[in-house]
Amino acid sequence: GAVVSQHPSRVICKSGTSVKIECRSLDFQATTMFWYRQFPKQSLMLMATSNEGSKATYEQGVEKDKFLINHASLTLSTLTVTSAHPEDSSFYICSAKTSGGSSYNEQFFGPGTRLTVL
Amino acid sequence: GIQVEQSPPDLILQEGANSTLRCNFSDSVNNLQWFHQNPWGQLINLFYIPSGTKQNGRLSATTVATERYSLLYISSSQTTDSGVYFCAVGQYGNKLVFGAGTILRVKS
Repeated sequence: GAVVSQHPSRVICKSGTSVKIECRSLDFQATTMFWYRQFPKQSLMLMATSNEGSKATYEQGVEKDKFLINHASLTLSTLTVTSAHPEDSSFYICSAKTSGGSSYNEQFFGPGTRLTVL
Repeated sequence: GIQVEQSPPDLILQEGANSTLRCNFSDSVNNLQWFHQNPWGQLINLFYIPSGTKQNGRLSATTVATERYSLLYISSSQTTDSGVYFCAVGQYGNKLVFGAGTILRVKS
């Protein structure tokens, strides 16, 4: 149980275009999902918290107009990188939090999306 | 904000050896998770352990919340254990703060 998928796994785009990344919880409902970014040989940094049916909460320094988050259902959150530039190239990982049971705070992570902006 | 420190940063083991990874955190937490990031970037959940001790096969973990540290034990290491091990902690808002990780290399 507690499987999270991401699509696409890898994307290459031209500078100035927008890219949408999907995050799905496959076997549980997630009222809260999270988006992280990881640069090479570094740790994960939280970008934003996505709550179903409400606006996302962005971490300090993350541009909300550049990284659009939509959490339209209990199993799907999307991250859109708008007007992507080479400095946006990174590994983007989503996670989803279970909402019940003995480990109700536990987060499960998707396999990640590697974005390369040319 | 809360600080998370992991040690050691790098660890090289011979296959079959045991190891202990440490995670120190600067404030009280209600979530602590250990992950293994494989070479493809996938984070594998190892333990959800805000307090107490758990074991899963060759791995075990202990969190002493009052002293603000957690330990991950790997016994009889295998080459497939290689990768990066992250400790991440959470407080009231559910979001996780990650440590810098420990890079483990197991040699055959």
